[in-house]
Amino acid sequence: GESVGLHLPTLSVQEGDNSIINCAYSNSASDYFIWYKQESGKGPQFIIDIRSNMDKRQGQRVTVLLNKTVKHLSLQIAATQPGDSAVYFCAENISFTGTASKLTFGTGTRLQVTL
Amino acid sequence: SAVISQKPSRDICQRGTSLTIQCQVDSQVTMMFWYRQQPGQSLTLIATANQGSEATYESGFVIDKFPISRPNLTFSTLTVSNMSPEDSSIYLCSVGDTNQPQHFGDGTRLSIL
Repeated sequence: GESVGLHLPTLSVQEGDNSIINCAYSNSASDYFIWYKQESGKGPQFIIDIRSNMDKRQGQRVTVLLNKTVKHLSLQIAATQPGDSAVYFCAENISFTGTASKLTFGTGTRLQVTL
Repeated sequence: SAVISQKPSRDICQRGTSLTIQCQVDSQVTMMFWYRQQPGQSLTLIATANQGSEATYESGFVIDKFPISRPNLTFSTLTVSNMSPEDSSIYLCSVGDTNQPQHFGDGTRLSIL
C-alpha cells in the first residue's frame, strides 16, 4: 500500500455525515488558496479554490471557508461517502508580479469514512 | 485540465546511482513544477522548471543534486543524482499558471536500497 497519510492527523466520519477539515495557513500575504485530495497511489487532485477577496465558495458537495483574520481555511464535505476517504491538503499561494506562482502545502489530514 | 504523465511510475535503485524522471503534458503549459513528498508527509516544492532557462530552486535543493530540464512547453525531466536512502520519496510533477490551480501527475515512487 501507499505510505501517504500514515503519520497524518486522522478524521473519522460516518458515511452520510458532514466532514469539516481545517487548515491554518502561515502567510498573511497569501492571496489564493486551494484544497487537494490525494488518494492512495495517486497525485493530489484539485477540489476547490478560493481567492482572498472571498470568505466562502461552494462547489458540488464541498464548501471552502476562509477566515483571513485568524489565517484559517476549512473544507466542508456534505453527506460524506466512502469515496471521499483520502488525504486532504490545503495549499496557499502568494502572487508576486513577474514571478512564478508558488504553492506552500499544509501538513494534510487523512479522512476516514466509516460505514 | 491538462493530462500529466510521469515515467517511471515507480523504481527501486541502488545507492550512488542516478535516475531521471520524465513529465509529459498533453498541452502547452507556462509553468511546470517538481515536488517531493516524503513518506507520510506533505509536498515540498523542489524547483520551478522554466522553459529556455535554468530552473529556479527552493531553499535546501541544489542543481547538482536535482538537475532539471525543460526543453519545450510540454515536457520536463528531473534527475535525482547520487542517490541515498534519504532520497526515497514520491516525486511529483505539476503544471499551472499564476493564480490558477496546479494540476499534478500521479508521481514517481522511488526507493533506494
